[in-house]
Amino acid sequence: DGGITQSPKYLFRKEGQNVTLSCEQNLNHDAMYWYRQDPGQGLRLIYYSQIVNDFQKGDIAEGYSVSREKKESFPLTVTSAQKNPTAFYLCASLPSRRDLNTEAFFGQGTRLTVV
Amino acid sequence: AQSVTQPDIHITVSEGASLELRCNYSYGATPYLFWYVQSPGQGLQLLLKYFSGDTLVQGIKGFEAEFKRSQSSFNLRKPSVHWSDAAEYFCAVGLSGYALNFGKGTSLLVTP
Repeated sequence: DGGITQSPKYLFRKEGQNVTLSCEQNLNHDAMYWYRQDPGQGLRLIYYSQIVNDFQKGDIAEGYSVSREKKESFPLTVTSAQKNPTAFYLCASLPSRRDLNTEAFFGQGTRLTVV
Repeated sequence: AQSVTQPDIHITVSEGASLELRCNYSYGATPYLFWYVQSPGQGLQLLLKYFSGDTLVQGIKGFEAEFKRSQSSFNLRKPSVHWSDAAEYFCAVGLSGYALNFGKGTSLLVTP
């Protein structure tokens, strides 16, 4: 079945370490997104990518980096520059960024805890 | 600035009672409108969406939403709530070519 896979589901890291969250989709979607979710804050856009080898900053990109070397993969790196990285991270995809006339698929999320 | 507002952070309803969750948006043009539901620790599931046409939209799990252009609102309703409806509900708004913009969510508690 097609869908989006985020791994791992839970991730623990020490303060000051970089960590990479995985997002893989087999839906053949062009557009992929990373959101951060904090209690009472809704979902805030970190980065998004419309095509391979291209990505744009969202509203809260500071302290994060991404790559899009393959259409099906959009990993997110939380760097040591991110001041408050503990959060729930969600990855999503759409057939194309202009194709809102369809459903955005979401992964099951990764809960990152920095200690 | 473009924004999405869900005025109610928490709502408690009795099982079997009706439900209405509010969503207001501020956009220069009429955007695409969505409602998603999230169970604890899970991803988001699409309940329904509106792009154009009939302003009353039917979704999954017995939910419906009504688009009111004059009020810039897209409220979610359900005639009779079940205990399994307890979850976080998000209104999302988008324009073609841009990522979805989410409200802060409404947490629904269903009491016996």
